[in-house]
Order: sequence, then C-alpha cells, then structure tokens
Amino acid sequence: ETGVTQSPTHLIKTRGQQVTLRCSSQSGHNTVSWYQQALGQGPQFIFQYYREEENGRGNFPPRFSGLQFPNYSSELNVNALELDDSALYLCASSLANRGPGETQYFGPGTRLLVL
Amino acid sequence: DQQVKQNSPSLSVQEGRISILNCDYTNSMFDYFLWYKKYPAEGPTFLISISSIKDKNEDGRFTVFLNKSAKHLSLHIVPSQPGDSAVYFCAASLNRDDKIIFGKGTRLHILP
Repeated sequence: ETGVTQSPTHLIKTRGQQVTLRCSSQSGHNTVSWYQQALGQGPQFIFQYYREEENGRGNFPPRFSGLQFPNYSSELNVNALELDDSALYLCASSLANRGPGETQYFGPGTRLLVL
Repeated sequence: DQQVKQNSPSLSVQEGRISILNCDYTNSMFDYFLWYKKYPAEGPTFLISISSIKDKNEDGRFTVFLNKSAKHLSLHIVPSQPGDSAVYFCAASLNRDDKIIFGKGTRLHILP
C-alpha cells in the first residue's frame, strides 16, 4: 500500500508567477483535500476534490484552483503568486464515504517560497 | 478569526510524566474533534478523535477530554515518551464529513 506523495518537495517562485503542485493519493482513496500551512499556523483547508469535481472550498480566492484525475491524483494550481502564498502545501487523501477526519492521510507537503 | 485555539505554542514535559495539551474553540456548532501529530518533514497523522456526544475517549496512552459547556478539549499523554516529541494540532469540524478546522499547534518537547 503506497502512501500519499507530493512533488516537488521544495519550490521557489517569484511574485506574479504561476505554480503547479502535484499529489498522488493513498491507494484506494477517492477524495483529495489541499491545505495551506503558513509559518506558525495550522493547516488551512483550501478545497476538496471527489470524482474529479470540487467538493467544498475554504476561504481562498479563485486564483487557487485544482484538478483531480481519473486515477485520483491531483494538482493544485496557484496563479499570480503573492508573497503571502509562501507556505507548506499539504495534500491529504481519504475515502469519501467515511469522512475526512480519521481516514485522512497527509503527504509530506511541498514548501513554496515566493520572492 | 481563529475558531480553534491552542494558546500554548510549546510545552516541555519530563519523560514518564503526563503531558496535557489544551485546546479551546469558539463555534458551538462543532460536533467532532480530532488531534493530529506532526513530525518535521512529514504530514500530520491522525491521533485520536471524539464526538460531541462523549466527554472522554481513550486509546492506549492517549486520552481526549471534551468539555462542551466550556468549549474546551484536552489531550492527555501518559506516560510521555521521547517519541511523543512533535507538534500537536487540535482540529474540529461540524460533522464527520465536513472540512476540518485546525488550531495553530503546540510543540511538545519530552525531556530525558
């Protein structure tokens, strides 16, 4: 059974650029959630995808968008990067019919630095 | 506005003693509470949960207590072990299927 993997592990971008972060779900999981963890803060929910459709969104602007593929892997895209987008981005996969809490497995995250 | 608050950024406890991590929440509609543990360079891992119909849930060395009237929960670790040194996140949601709101975390140091 493979765990949740994310790529890249680290990334440096400049303000205004666009970035794509990738996530491979835990085997058998059909739901993926993305979180942003700023320095000194807890993870903050960005959005969730189920069956390739967005299934819930937190308080993030539209320049944060996502995709889920038929194999349940996922991408997080951020356009027009701002300095405050610098954070650890966490992906978590889960089973939709069992709720995200206990069955949610997190990846190690991608650390994004925006200069 | 923080709906889940962990007011202690860090806590140091002697190995073998009890570690008590505290968490307060503001939204009385929260129905489901969780604790996660995070090591450096790893994602958070689920530790223990409790629903609002209970006031205590125990799993081995870990016990979570919920006081709904005070909007307060705590995680007790007995006895504390060196491997317990990590950041602990308190989290809450409206129900088991809803998005999870995290606190800022408490860094626990277990001293030899």
